[in-house]
Amino acid sequence: DVKVTQSSRYLVKRTGEKVFLECVQDMDHENMFWYRQDPGLGLRLIYFSYDVKMKEKGDIPEGYSVSREKKERFSLILESASTNQTSMYLCASSLTRGNTEAFFGQGTRLTVV
Amino acid sequence: GQQVMQIPQYQHVQEGEDFTTYCNSSTTLSNIQWYKQRPGGHPVFLIQLVKSGEVKKQKRLTFQFGEAKKNSSLHITATQTTDVGTYFCAGDTGTASKLTFGTGTRLQVTL
Repeated sequence: DVKVTQSSRYLVKRTGEKVFLECVQDMDHENMFWYRQDPGLGLRLIYFSYDVKMKEKGDIPEGYSVSREKKERFSLILESASTNQTSMYLCASSLTRGNTEAFFGQGTRLTVV
Repeated sequence: GQQVMQIPQYQHVQEGEDFTTYCNSSTTLSNIQWYKQRPGGHPVFLIQLVKSGEVKKQKRLTFQFGEAKKNSSLHITATQTTDVGTYFCAGDTGTASKLTFGTGTRLQVTL
């Protein structure tokens, strides 16, 4: 079974802090994604990566950056956390461009106070 | 940018009633996927449709992909309480690895 693991289930951070959310997948998938989920808005794509050191902006990249130094790990960085970034963050991976079935981590509930 | 909308946002049915959610993309899709998210859980892949006009069935669930490859539907026959959750469609335009999710339909089923 594919396993996608997010480093924290719950996080509470202060406004202005730099926040790192880590995601690791164990199935040698090429693609990795970061989404945020908010009620009524579905899953919105923040950033995705289709290869090591490659990254592409999603639909709502403002206030975020990402890092993919190794194939199995994709990190989401909130440069200066703000209260409007309080949300559920979901990491996902998929095998390759032609096979995009996504496997999700358990999610990180981030609260910025 | 690409947008994927779903209707309705929420539906409450009695067990045994049918349920349908509709998905519409602003752009033509290479394929459409459907996911189910149980309360407190993460989205789990259900199925992928690739061909124009394709229809697939999984027990009580029927999935359709529109002729123009811009819309899709999920129909559940005779809902059960185990069907409770949020159903998402997700579109892949095929030009990149980008997977765009719809807004989701939350289904509540009561006895």
